[in-house]
Amino acid sequence: GAVVSQHPSRVICKSGTSVKIECRSLDFQATTMFWYRQFPKQSLMLMATSNEGSKATYEQGVEKDKFLINHASLTLSTLTVTSAHPEDSSFYICSASRGGGTDTQYFGPGTRLTVL
Amino acid sequence: AQSVTQPDIHITVSEGASLELRCNYSYGATPYLFWYVQSPGQGLQLLLKYFSGDTLVQGIKGFEAEFKRSQSSFNLRKPSVHWSDAAEYFCAVELTGGGNKLTFGTGTQLKVEL
Repeated sequence: GAVVSQHPSRVICKSGTSVKIECRSLDFQATTMFWYRQFPKQSLMLMATSNEGSKATYEQGVEKDKFLINHASLTLSTLTVTSAHPEDSSFYICSASRGGGTDTQYFGPGTRLTVL
Repeated sequence: AQSVTQPDIHITVSEGASLELRCNYSYGATPYLFWYVQSPGQGLQLLLKYFSGDTLVQGIKGFEAEFKRSQSSFNLRKPSVHWSDAAEYFCAVELTGGGNKLTFGTGTQLKVEL
């Protein structure tokens, strides 16, 4: 149980286009979903936290107009990278948890974004 | 600000040898502590977690970790490493009452020699 999927696993796009990444909890309802960014050989950096039906809370330094997050249902959150540029190329990872407190986060396999 | 330090970027061990991966945190209070493993093409998998109580925590795949308050450490151990353990290992902390937000260390890449 507690499986999280991401789609697509890999995407290449041209500079200036927008890309949408989906994160789904397959066998549980995720009250909270998190979006991380991982640079090569580096750690995961939390970008934002989203609760179902609410606006996402972004970490300091993350442009909310650049990285649009929607958490419209208890099983789906989307991250849209708008007007993508080469510096947005990265590995994006989502995680989901059933609720607050000490609930475990379950991670998706990640999406590799390459912006040409 | 809280931080998590994993001093070893790379570690190589022989199959069957014991393993210890180090993790230190910097925070005024004791946070919740986690170890995750990341394999290529797969999501991060939780190995074990410490919230309170017994300071020696048993996890999956034969891993264990010991919380030492005096050293602000949460080192991961395994008595006998298998080739399939080769992966990236991340230590993470969560502030108590921090809304389930995790701060990750920079990771340790484990290589297992046959």
